[in-house]
Amino acid sequence: AQSVTQLGSHVSVSEGALVLLRCNYSSSVPPYLFWYVQYPNQGLQLLLKYTSAATLVKGINGFEAEFKKSETSFHLTKPSAHMSDAAEYFCAVSATGNTPLVFGKGTRLSVIA
Amino acid sequence: GAVVSQHPSRVICKSGTSVKIECRSLDFQATTMFWYRQFPKQSLMLMATSNEGSKATYEQGVEKDKFLINHASLTLSTLTVTSAHPEDSSFYICSARDLRGNTEAFFGQGTRLTVV
Repeated sequence: AQSVTQLGSHVSVSEGALVLLRCNYSSSVPPYLFWYVQYPNQGLQLLLKYTSAATLVKGINGFEAEFKKSETSFHLTKPSAHMSDAAEYFCAVSATGNTPLVFGKGTRLSVIA
Repeated sequence: GAVVSQHPSRVICKSGTSVKIECRSLDFQATTMFWYRQFPKQSLMLMATSNEGSKATYEQGVEKDKFLINHASLTLSTLTVTSAHPEDSSFYICSARDLRGNTEAFFGQGTRLTVV
């Protein structure tokens, strides 16, 4: 079984500051890990994914995440926050194959001018 | 990337009526699709796994007679909310995984259902 814990339901940063959104996972098999962003009343857009290749994964819009097996973590970072980054972010895990994603509770990112 | 189209994007219906939501994979075949429900300011909760040509698999606590799922073809799954009540009001999102070696899960745009 898989599960995800996102630490912090709400993170607020200043424009230009570092963004760090935390995600820890639990999985009985080697996991596939994902970060998605959701804007109000919209579906989910994939930011990046880890699929057992490079542990440092680069995604869209300047985001990246590092898979750390020893810490069972997959934290999302961005060096410099932009106002347009304000949204809800979800970390998700799945087993290999055609299985559904299990989502964390989400972290709302606010960016202050 | 692959596209999953979900319709309608929002619907308002009266209590007691039924509402059908469609989920289509536009450029890939999906033997399996997933239906999620999202309450305001909360995460996505898996409702059911839709399997082409067979019965859907429902998560614990999800009423299969209320949420009817049909996966008639490799590109279309439908969710019908039967005899809708105000407590069924929610954001419903479908998802499909492209089995052509791509591990990404693609999501529809979501459907905002309001039952009045």
